Amino acid sequence: EVQLVESGGGVVQSGGSLRLSCAASGFTFHDYAMHWVRQAPGKGLEWVSLISGNRGSTYYADSVKGRFTISRDNSKNSLYLQMNSLRTEDTALYYCAKDTGSGWDLDYWGQGTLVTVSS
Amino acid sequence: DIQMTQSPSSLSASVGDRVTITCRASQTISRYLNWYQQKPGKAPELLIYVTSSLQSGVPSRFIGSGSGTDFTLTISSLQPEDFATYYCQQSSRTPLTFGGGTKVEIK
Repeated sequence: EVQLVESGGGVVQSGGSLRLSCAASGFTFHDYAMHWVRQAPGKGLEWVSLISGNRGSTYYADSVKGRFTISRDNSKNSLYLQMNSLRTEDTALYYCAKDTGSGWDLDYWGQGTLVTVSS
Repeated sequence: DIQMTQSPSSLSASVGDRVTITCRASQTISRYLNWYQQKPGKAPELLIYVTSSLQSGVPSRFIGSGSGTDFTLTISSLQPEDFATYYCQQSSRTPLTFGGGTKVEIK
């Protein structure tokens, strides 16, 4: 059974940093791209970033480029999101999601970790 | 960036109704269009990928169609468990983008 468990969320002041983690199990982690998607309270979904399986190629939404860094440790079956220079508009529930492997669609999602950026 | 526009943003329907949600891309995305369902307090779930392929375990009443810039999700006979918010997502190129969502409510 595929499981994705996010952690690391919390309350941080504007300009601060936070590192999110996602522990994956139930599939061959290094074979799949992984994504971060966020959802501000009461709002829709916003894709944040993705990292490919083995080569580790990374892609970002314009809204986080230069501030967030996605990474993975395939030996630990873990995905990370380093968030720097946080803004109040980064307040959201952050989901970790697994790619299907056939083209940037997301077939398994964690339950999310909440990030609150205060002013 | 590719903008995804969903309509309507919300709708009211009854059990047994046929419901159609549309999604329009700001530029052509071939058939790289996916649909997700999200219930309150839950993570989204993949329903349909590459326009019309049903994710494993998803009932056949969910039907996806379209190509290029215009896509639709049809629920052929709405069931009580289908009341949720639906999102389209383009997977043609990065940055990946979602539509604004369509909330399906009980009439």
